[in-house]
Amino acid sequence: DAKTTQPNSMESNEEEPVHLPCNHSTISGTDYIHWYRQLPSQGPEYVIHGLTSNVNNRMASLAIAEDRKSSTLILHRATLRDAAVYYCILREMNTGNQFYFGTGTSLTVIP
Amino acid sequence: ETGVTQSPTHLIKTRGQQVTLRCSSQSGHNTVSWYQQALGQGPQFIFQYYREEENGRGNFPPRFSGLQFPNYSSELNVNALELDDSALYLCASSSQGGPGSTQYFGPGTRLTVL
Repeated sequence: DAKTTQPNSMESNEEEPVHLPCNHSTISGTDYIHWYRQLPSQGPEYVIHGLTSNVNNRMASLAIAEDRKSSTLILHRATLRDAAVYYCILREMNTGNQFYFGTGTSLTVIP
Repeated sequence: ETGVTQSPTHLIKTRGQQVTLRCSSQSGHNTVSWYQQALGQGPQFIFQYYREEENGRGNFPPRFSGLQFPNYSSELNVNALELDDSALYLCASSSQGGPGSTQYFGPGTRLTVL
């Protein structure tokens, strides 16, 4: 059911920006793009979401391609606390607005 | 504001037994979803409850059932436990079920089936 594709793992140096890509080529006009992250031994934590326009919040920025078939989560300055599995999720109205998670991207932050 | 809480934290059962997991949603939230997360995998959607009614179900057999109470807390029941049911069970609440709404997850219940 997962409709997104992400790299299995990525590495970043501490205090460097991180760009986490996600492909969602089957997205429809009413589907929202959500990003969550999961730290070890914790439940997933909301990061950001958007529909068409780029979004910014205190945690991250979300850049959505013009055709909406891909998006990028941007962490502006990675810290050791950002080491987690990041999930890109399409929330689809035609499947009851449920979250369908893929396997996510495991981000390692190098001190 | 109290976040999503789940109980118990850990649970060990044997094959064939039944288990009940509990979730208290965040204050003001009327929608609860349950997920199963096997080791090394992303969470898999089990079902969602909105105002005490089941409002969507993933690809799980009927032995997975649930309830939502008037205070919007929820239970997940699993009958006839199988070894493959060993997983982290996550509960998430939201204020409404639309595609732009945010879900807030609890810390999960780790179930081990022997």
